Amino acid sequence: SQTIHQWPATLVQPVGSPLSLECTVEGTSNPNLYWYRQAAGRGLQLLFYSVGIGQISSEVPQNLSASRPQDRQFILSSKKLLLSDSGFYLCACPDYQGVSSGANVLTFGAGSRLTVL
Amino acid sequence: QKEVEQNSGPLSVPEGAIASLNCTYSDRVSQSFFWYRQYSGKSPELIMSIYSNGDKEDGRFTAQLNKASQYVSLLIRDSQPSDSATYLCAVNLDSGNTPLVFGKGTRLSVIA
Repeated sequence: SQTIHQWPATLVQPVGSPLSLECTVEGTSNPNLYWYRQAAGRGLQLLFYSVGIGQISSEVPQNLSASRPQDRQFILSSKKLLLSDSGFYLCACPDYQGVSSGANVLTFGAGSRLTVL
Repeated sequence: QKEVEQNSGPLSVPEGAIASLNCTYSDRVSQSFFWYRQYSGKSPELIMSIYSNGDKEDGRFTAQLNKASQYVSLLIRDSQPSDSATYLCAVNLDSGNTPLVFGKGTRLSVIA
């Protein structure tokens, strides 16, 4: 199975400042990668997913963007943060359990907690 | 719009009791179903997956799926204080690349 690294773990940023959150994956190649956000009192919201280098799909219009410059690197960015961007950002990757299981199980990194003040 | 609904709780049960967590989903063609546990401040971790109607048991956990009723549940037997967490239900349309859709989670509190 793969390992997902995320950094920074915690970030406090002022409104209007830029953002860069990084996710890297070990132990697999050409994975699908996902960025989810979990805001206080809310569920996990899918923000972006990528099926390969340079291929990004956005699920919701927002102040954020994503890039995939390398096979196992996924970056979440913003040019100017808003208060509503605060939340717990999770990078995820399927951990394929085999044909008999019939589905990709999603595993998560440890997350990056962003507070915008 | 695909939706996964869960009661937000908190669900409080005494230690040693059975905790029952429920989830309904809107998309009838959903194929794969997952239960994740999330401790406060931590990322979700998979505890159960189920793909066919019926029950699937793993230790103290039992997942139950009823596709006709679009309903999936998680039973935790002999609940322990360490089971106190938020439990997220997740649904996938197929076994391929479709992203998981998550419910908002049910907060479980096991009282010693």
